[in-house]
Amino acid sequence: AQTVTQSQPEMSVQEAETVTLSCTYDTSESDYYLFWYKQPPSRQMILVIRQEAYKQQNATENRFSVNFQKAAKSFSLKISDSQLGDAAMYFCAYRRGQNFVFGPGTRLSVLP
Amino acid sequence: EAGVAQSPRYKIIEKRQSVAFWCNPISGHATLYWYQQILGQGPKLLIQFQNNGVVDDSQLPKDRFSAERLKGVDSTLKIQPAKLEDSAVYLCASSLQANEKLFFGSGTQLSVL
Repeated sequence: AQTVTQSQPEMSVQEAETVTLSCTYDTSESDYYLFWYKQPPSRQMILVIRQEAYKQQNATENRFSVNFQKAAKSFSLKISDSQLGDAAMYFCAYRRGQNFVFGPGTRLSVLP
Repeated sequence: EAGVAQSPRYKIIEKRQSVAFWCNPISGHATLYWYQQILGQGPKLLIQFQNNGVVDDSQLPKDRFSAERLKGVDSTLKIQPAKLEDSAVYLCASSLQANEKLFFGSGTQLSVL
């Protein structure tokens, strides 16, 4: 079964600085999707960024970018120019077909 | 476009009582998911529907949990009888197709006393 691991239960970053959240996963498949979701206190999960495994180029969405290392099964999220509104739980997720698995999450605090 | 709607937002019940949650996915989304999120953990899939058919319910505690998606649109998740360990946020999500991103509702926070 696929598993997703986030080794950092909590992280903090100074406003305007850069932070990287780690994620590793276990799969024997070669074709799959990876996601980072943000969950603020409102509880609604919001998609931050998505990566297709067959694409070598790392995905980027404004201040959010990923470092996708397929051989190492690593998928880290970099947040640049951190803002107070970035404070939330961040979940890494793996998807292949019907199978969608979430990691345990990393709580990010942004310090003013 | 309207998002995934869930109700109620909060529910408090005593153990051994019954409870039901409702979800209305985004219009046209064929795939619907129910997740259980215990405090401090990531969401865990309970059941997945494709239209009105069940795709995966391997992690659904079928002795007490049930779900249906009549007519392939709205869905209800029921717990009967509830246990203390059922206290969690229950998230509903939908996607256009199986490989597409998930859109989530705001969840129902259940407290079992």
